[in-house]
Amino acid sequence: DQQVKQNSPSLSVQEGRISILNCDYTNSMFDYFLWYKKYPAEGPTFLISISSIKDKNEDGRFTVFLNKSAKHLSLHIVPSQPGDSAVYFCAARNTGNQFYFGTGTSLTVIP
Amino acid sequence: DTAVSQTPKYLVTQMGNDKSIKCEQNLGHDTMYWYKQDSKKFLKIMFSYNNKELIINETVPNRFSPKSPDKAHLNLHINSLELGDSAVYFCASSQDVILGSGNTIYFGEGSWLTVV
Repeated sequence: DQQVKQNSPSLSVQEGRISILNCDYTNSMFDYFLWYKKYPAEGPTFLISISSIKDKNEDGRFTVFLNKSAKHLSLHIVPSQPGDSAVYFCAARNTGNQFYFGTGTSLTVIP
Repeated sequence: DTAVSQTPKYLVTQMGNDKSIKCEQNLGHDTMYWYKQDSKKFLKIMFSYNNKELIINETVPNRFSPKSPDKAHLNLHINSLELGDSAVYFCASSQDVILGSGNTIYFGEGSWLTVV
């Protein structure tokens, strides 16, 4: 049973525009959410996170929004750059320190 | 220095063989994990160890056996390999979490296993 879902397998955005990646989860006990970025032939690397007590966290061009009532989070990248092209994984952690990942969204930023 | 390192990176082997993937982390973390990324790109947890003790054992065939000689190492041994075992296996680690505080999980670069 997949507790974290990313329903868009791919996304293409023009350079300079905003990229919005979405993620839904089912377990209301998740207390911490993360986004990871993955390049081909490499492991996922941590990008940004948000605690369940917040609804927004910003780090440079990256902002994560959390809507707990909808069990939805999103990652905004603005402005998008060609180097942002990668697969983005949404992850959620429960209070037992177990991390659950979505299936990823492949972002292509077109120059 | 690589924080989480796993070897080999690529492995091609025949059905029925037994193989191991090794993992080491130099972050001083207490918890280590094995994740499997299958053809559908789903990153699914297989095992989690905390201070050498098994914490999570998801529904994984018992042909898969993790071994943690110390808290910096978590090796994955696979017996009687099958075609369906072909996947990318990621080792990861994280620090023990204090409830309410942030935490992240750090991944190795992955081991590409192909069973032929």
